[in-house]
Amino acid sequence: NAGVTQTPKFQVLKTGQSMTLQCAQDMNHEYMSWYRQDPGMGLRLIHYSVGAGITDQGEVPNGYNVSRSTTEDFPLRLLSAAPSQTSVYFCASSYYSGESNYGYTFGSGTRLTVV
Amino acid sequence: RKEVEQDPGPFNVPEGATVAFNCTYSNSASQSFFWYRQDCRKEPKLLMSVYSSGNEDGRFTAQLNRASQYISLLIRDSKLSDSATYLCVVNPLLSGGYNKLIFGAGTRLAVHP
Repeated sequence: NAGVTQTPKFQVLKTGQSMTLQCAQDMNHEYMSWYRQDPGMGLRLIHYSVGAGITDQGEVPNGYNVSRSTTEDFPLRLLSAAPSQTSVYFCASSYYSGESNYGYTFGSGTRLTVV
Repeated sequence: RKEVEQDPGPFNVPEGATVAFNCTYSNSASQSFFWYRQDCRKEPKLLMSVYSSGNEDGRFTAQLNRASQYISLLIRDSKLSDSATYLCVVNPLLSGGYNKLIFGAGTRLAVHP
């Protein structure tokens, strides 16, 4: 049972380049999300999905796109990388229901540097 | 005002000490609460959920005070391996049913011999 798998683990981009961060989970979780973590700011929600075909914006969505074509995969696309997007990105998943008392399972993160 | 606030620390304590962290949240309608642990350059991992009646797991005890809107984490008999950053996490609303979690910036704990 792999849990949540993120690739790549490290990436350096030049300003203006685009790329996709991959996230896959094998726990049949309905809910998936992307967070970024910056020093002193905690994790901030970028986008989330409550099931295949359904996505919505979080707190800091600008500059990022997502799609959810399957339950397992939730890729995050950077459209035109900027130095302000230098951060650590975490993908997370959980069960989804009217009861919200589920914690998240996180992937190991992607460390992105934009130069 | 941040939705979830924590003292960043660091808390430097000797092995065997008891240490407590507090966390305050701003949304009184918040329904679910958690403590996560994050080791340096690793992903956050769920430490424990926090229930209205409190929750104990070995050396760790979590408490919720809804009237004052704060959550606490108590660690007894600290071990070197407890050194990490502890994240306070709140689910502010049940509306829509989705599991949106708000993370505090974390409190760093350093346990020394």
